[in-house]
Amino acid sequence: AQRVTQPEKLLSVFKGAPVELKCNYSYSGSPELFWYVQYSRQRLQLLLRHISRESIKGFTADLNKGETSFHLKKPFAQEEDSAMYYCALGSYNTDKLIFGTGTRLQVFP
Amino acid sequence: DVKVTQSSRYLVKRTGEKVFLECVQDMDHENMFWYRQDPGLGLRLIYFSYDVKMKEKGDIPEGYSVSREKKERFSLILESASTNQTSMYLCASSLELAGIYNEQFFGPGTRLTVL
Repeated sequence: AQRVTQPEKLLSVFKGAPVELKCNYSYSGSPELFWYVQYSRQRLQLLLRHISRESIKGFTADLNKGETSFHLKKPFAQEEDSAMYYCALGSYNTDKLIFGTGTRLQVFP
Repeated sequence: DVKVTQSSRYLVKRTGEKVFLECVQDMDHENMFWYRQDPGLGLRLIYFSYDVKMKEKGDIPEGYSVSREKKERFSLILESASTNQTSMYLCASSLELAGIYNEQFFGPGTRLTVL
């Protein structure tokens, strides 16, 4: 079955600390993976996708097929990074996105 | 810039009422989606649509129906609202391009409370 697991409901760090939000997936084909973010009082929006291999707002995520992971990382967290982060798996045969349960990141000053 | 709008930000209804949630997108996207967002459960897909008059069940379609009479509009209908349908409802749309999985653009959400 296709599934996305985000094991942490809440991750709290201090400003300047490194951040890693974990995401593991199960998918039998070639996965298309995304991170979506929802800042307070804003709509859910795409942060980054693995296929573009870019860094957005200092965040990166590498697809590790061996470990079936797509962890989101940032070397130095900022207070404005505080938000809800969702990992999502694209399912080509149906055009659906399968979301994880989300991780709330709190960055303290 | 893609704009997805939802008819209400907040809605309060009584058990048994029929509820309509409307979503409109202005970028000529083929795909439209309805999710509910609950703490600890993430986003769960209710229904989606590839084209006008087309609909597909998502993961939790029970108690819901949808309508897509025009390409830009996708309605979610709760035939008889129940308290367990109290939730945040998110609409999204995406472009259909063969061989590419495309970004979904989300609306601001409708927080529905069923009393």
